[in-house]
Amino acid sequence: LAKTTQPISMDSYEGQEVNITCSHNNIATNDYITWYQQFPSQGPRFIIQGYKTKVTNEVASLFIPADRKSSTLSLPRVSLSDTAVYYCLVGPDSNYQLIWGAGTKLIIKP
Amino acid sequence: NAGVTQTPKFQVLKTGQSMTLQCAQDMNHEYMSWYRQDPGMGLRLIHYSVGAGITDQGEVPNGYNVSRSTTEDFPLRLLSAAPSQTSVYFCASSETSGSSYEQYFGPGTRLTVT
Repeated sequence: LAKTTQPISMDSYEGQEVNITCSHNNIATNDYITWYQQFPSQGPRFIIQGYKTKVTNEVASLFIPADRKSSTLSLPRVSLSDTAVYYCLVGPDSNYQLIWGAGTKLIIKP
Repeated sequence: NAGVTQTPKFQVLKTGQSMTLQCAQDMNHEYMSWYRQDPGMGLRLIHYSVGAGITDQGEVPNGYNVSRSTTEDFPLRLLSAAPSQTSVYFCASSETSGSSYEQYFGPGTRLTVT
């Protein structure tokens, strides 16, 4: 299972675009890159998933360079409610397992 | 759809007691899993199941048992509670086919062992 490296914490301000980068140097050919969001006292919630290039949905964009050794989650025009922990995962393996790191604690200030 | 439900929300146990954490999903997902999350940490996989009658161990299975008699239910049993099992427990489910690996999580059970 490929491991990921993310910043421990970040902060930004309301209305800004926030980019969180994740490093996954040992990503396997079949691995997908998936990002989850977790609020305090809640289970994680799926944000976005991609394999290569760029993926966009209604809440975020995911940028993946050609070598796939890193990825960047982009949150446009953040608000206070985007304060949460964001996890980057790669996989899953043949047993559907993923490794969860400590994530990035994002704090949005007014 | 209720999604993934877990009971109880909170539980306090004494060392040596046993109990079962309940998990149910109504999305007809084949894959279900149990995680524990300690303060400031990511999730660690305890046990998982890829279908009724099939279970396997994850990263931290010691002290826990699971069974999967139906697609909907995946209970987690603590055999003899220890203070080291104080944690928040999350159940999750997902499909096992297609290209999406989105996991749906329950609200969690906060367990304290004294």
